[in-house]
Amino acid sequence: DAGITQSPRHKVTETGTPVTLRCHQTENHRYMYWYRQDPGHGLRLIHYSYGVKDTDKGEVSDGYSVSRSKTEDFLLTLESATSSQTSVYFCATRGGDTYEQYFGPGTRLTVT
Amino acid sequence: GENVEQHPSTLSVQEGDSAVIKCTYSDSASNYFPWYKQELGKRPQLIIDIRSNVGEKKDQRIAVTLNKTAKHFSLHITETQPEDSAVYFCAATLGGSTLGRLYFGRGTQLTVWP
Repeated sequence: DAGITQSPRHKVTETGTPVTLRCHQTENHRYMYWYRQDPGHGLRLIHYSYGVKDTDKGEVSDGYSVSRSKTEDFLLTLESATSSQTSVYFCATRGGDTYEQYFGPGTRLTVT
Repeated sequence: GENVEQHPSTLSVQEGDSAVIKCTYSDSASNYFPWYKQELGKRPQLIIDIRSNVGEKKDQRIAVTLNKTAKHFSLHITETQPEDSAVYFCAATLGGSTLGRLYFGRGTQLTVWP
């Protein structure tokens, strides 16, 4: 599973609070991605990174920010969580010479 | 961006039968098409993929076909087994980009009855 871990694995938080999810990889992969998965919507890209300090928006980036200060860590922050951000969040990584993406175990986030 | 449509949304087959899932995409420049299998509560797992310069690829009981002219690709599972039961997702890259952005279909729930 490409040595990808996510933390926390489960989190319940209240509307309006900030939340940070962490993705950690040990494969030295250049590319990292954050997706959210909701019933009936498949996987949708939130933000992605193509190198340290290099990030860009995906399809559903509103309300989310990211940071990548080290190759191995990619952080997703919800500045002020809303109930619509209740979802399962997956991180994925990809090496530079292939298109194959490998997913982390996911974080189930509930915003009450 | 890319638009990926996946059909059917649910599929039930008898053990030993074949299953076919179809996807269409909108961007003619898309060049990479992976398929993922996701069991309940687990992460999506890459099971097979195909590049745009190849028409078909097989791996044991699984095969993927690509029709670039019609902009559709399909997953074929032969001799299905109960452990094939899962949600399957197709995806396509945003054409012409090396960033590897994937656009996913909405998934197919495959149930294989013993």
